[in-house]
Amino acid sequence: SAVISQKPSRDICQRGTSLTIQCQVDSQVTMMFWYRQQPGQSLTLIATANQGSEATYESGFVIDKFPISRPNLTFSTLTVSNMSPEDSSIYLCSVVQVPGNEQFFGPGTRLTVL
Amino acid sequence: RKEVEQDPGPFNVPEGATVAFNCTYSNSASQSFFWYRQDCRKEPKLLMSVYSSGNEDGRFTAQLNRASQYISLLIRDSKLSDSATYLCVVNEVGDYKLSFGAGTTVTVRA
Repeated sequence: SAVISQKPSRDICQRGTSLTIQCQVDSQVTMMFWYRQQPGQSLTLIATANQGSEATYESGFVIDKFPISRPNLTFSTLTVSNMSPEDSSIYLCSVVQVPGNEQFFGPGTRLTVL
Repeated sequence: RKEVEQDPGPFNVPEGATVAFNCTYSNSASQSFFWYRQDCRKEPKLLMSVYSSGNEDGRFTAQLNRASQYISLLIRDSKLSDSATYLCVVNEVGDYKLSFGAGTTVTVRA
């Protein structure tokens, strides 16, 4: 399976600031996604990162709060803007490995907002 | 109603025991089904895909019942290392977006 890395692995941030999370894959992938996992909960899809165009956001998530870039087929960033304590969560990127329709996750970025 | 529902457990079993649990999904258009395993403070890792005919991977057996819209996972001869949260995951045909259950926690004790 593809090797996925994320930076930073964790961060503690102040309210009102922004953090950009990077996701790097060791091979070209068509489909790339960003998920959030809040404490004690399962994963929720934030958006699909589209290469060369605007991301597709799920209900409850907006571009102003979670801008996403996908400049090529191996890299994407997710920014968490104007953070509040409610944004404290683990943020994970994932990629689809074809054939097989199976999806693999990066190690996650653990964000704590004070 | 949640799209994917799981018994949260926890299931506490002794080593060597068999443990089984189910997951139900609400969207009849769902076409792909998976079990992921998530260890504490780690990312989910794909355990196995679930096929219509059912499939087995070593000590793990997955079944799919489309008529009743449920998926099951059975773990035989449990090991201490099987202790984890097991996530039931589904998606629709042509759509790679995954819907996750809340997870079933399994603890295997010595």
